[in-house]
Amino acid sequence: EVQLVESGGGLVQPGRSLRLSCAASGFTFDDYGMNWVRQAPGKGLEWVSGLSWNSDSIGYTDSVKGRFTISRDNAKNSLYLQMNSLRAEDTALYYCARSLDAYSFPYDYWGQGTQVTVSS
Amino acid sequence: DIQMTQSPSSLSASVGDRVTITCRASQGISNYLAWYQQKPGKVPKLLIYAASTLQSGVPSRFSGSGSGTDFTLTISSLQPEDVATYYCQKYYSAPRTFGQGTKVEIK
Repeated sequence: EVQLVESGGGLVQPGRSLRLSCAASGFTFDDYGMNWVRQAPGKGLEWVSGLSWNSDSIGYTDSVKGRFTISRDNAKNSLYLQMNSLRAEDTALYYCARSLDAYSFPYDYWGQGTQVTVSS
Repeated sequence: DIQMTQSPSSLSASVGDRVTITCRASQGISNYLAWYQQKPGKVPKLLIYAASTLQSGVPSRFSGSGSGTDFTLTISSLQPEDVATYYCQKYYSAPRTFGQGTKVEIK
């Protein structure tokens, strides 16, 4: 059974950092692209970042470029999102999602999400 | 960046009705378009990708069409369990933008 379990969320002050993790199981992790999608309270889905199976192809939404870094460790079946210089507008539920293929196809499995709240 | 615009933002229809949701891209995206369903309090679920390919396990009352800039998601006969918010997404290149969502309710 495919499982994606996010962790690392919490309450953090503006300007501080947080590192999210996503532990994957039930499939061959390095066969698939992986992504982070967020959803602010009561709002729609926002794609944050994604990377290919071998990390050769990486993308970010404009609002996080230069502040967030996506990475993966295929040996540990894990995906990460390093979030620096956090802002109030980064407050959201952050989902880890698996692509249908090794690159950027849509997302067939999602975790339950980890909540990030940026507030003083 | 390419913008994705859905219409309507919300709709109310009766059980058994045919429901159509539109998604428009600000530039052509070929058929690199997906549709997701998100029920209240739940994780999004992939319904359709490549504009018209039904994801495994999705009921056949859901269908998608379109190419280039204009796409549609159709529910041929609305069921109570289809109450949800539906999102389109372009996915070929970054940023892989979602539409703003269409909330579907039962009348």
